[in-house]
Amino acid sequence: GAVVSQHPSRVICKSGTSVKIECRSLDFQATTMFWYRQFPKQSLMLMATSNEGSKATYEQGVEKDKFLINHASLTLSTLTVTSAHPEDSSFYICSVQYGDGYTFGSGTRLTVV
Amino acid sequence: DAKTTQPTSMDCAEGRAANLPCNHSTISGNEYVYWYRQIHSQGPQYIIHGLKNNETNEMASLIITEDRKSSTLILPHATLRDTAVYYCIVRVGSGTASKLTFGTGTRLQVTL
Repeated sequence: GAVVSQHPSRVICKSGTSVKIECRSLDFQATTMFWYRQFPKQSLMLMATSNEGSKATYEQGVEKDKFLINHASLTLSTLTVTSAHPEDSSFYICSVQYGDGYTFGSGTRLTVV
Repeated sequence: DAKTTQPTSMDCAEGRAANLPCNHSTISGNEYVYWYRQIHSQGPQYIIHGLKNNETNEMASLIITEDRKSSTLILPHATLRDTAVYYCIVRVGSGTASKLTFGTGTRLQVTL
């Protein structure tokens, strides 16, 4: 399957600041990537589908102006959490689609203080 | 969207087979069944997927019923390292318009 690198693995930021999370496909040119969020003891929730060269498709209830997604190349998608607040603290995970397969990153634990 | 139903938790003795059931009674004819697992604070790990035929790989076997309304993931010889949350997912859509929507999963505890 595809090799996916997600960075950073952990980040702590102050309330009101923005945080950028990167998801890289190291060995596959990924047209489509996905961003998920996971709260403690809960399942993964799909936030958005990131399409290379076009706007991301957001799931219902996800604020597109708060969670900015950029997929400018076939190997990199970024998720920026803007004006972060403590309730945005969560585990964020990206995924790369390669054919019928889906490889997930190792996740980013965001803590907003 | 097809939904899946899984037991919340299961226990299995080390060395024994772990059989994890999944119901997906509203699955459509061209929707695949995927299984992933997640060990605490890590990204999900792919296990296996299938459409209608049974599948086997080095990790597990996937048994899909003839009517495709349910499936079972089999870990033939469970080890302590197999303790994780196992997700059964029906893929929605096809090609670049497809996506994986996770349900609540089964927490498998492998014990000595």
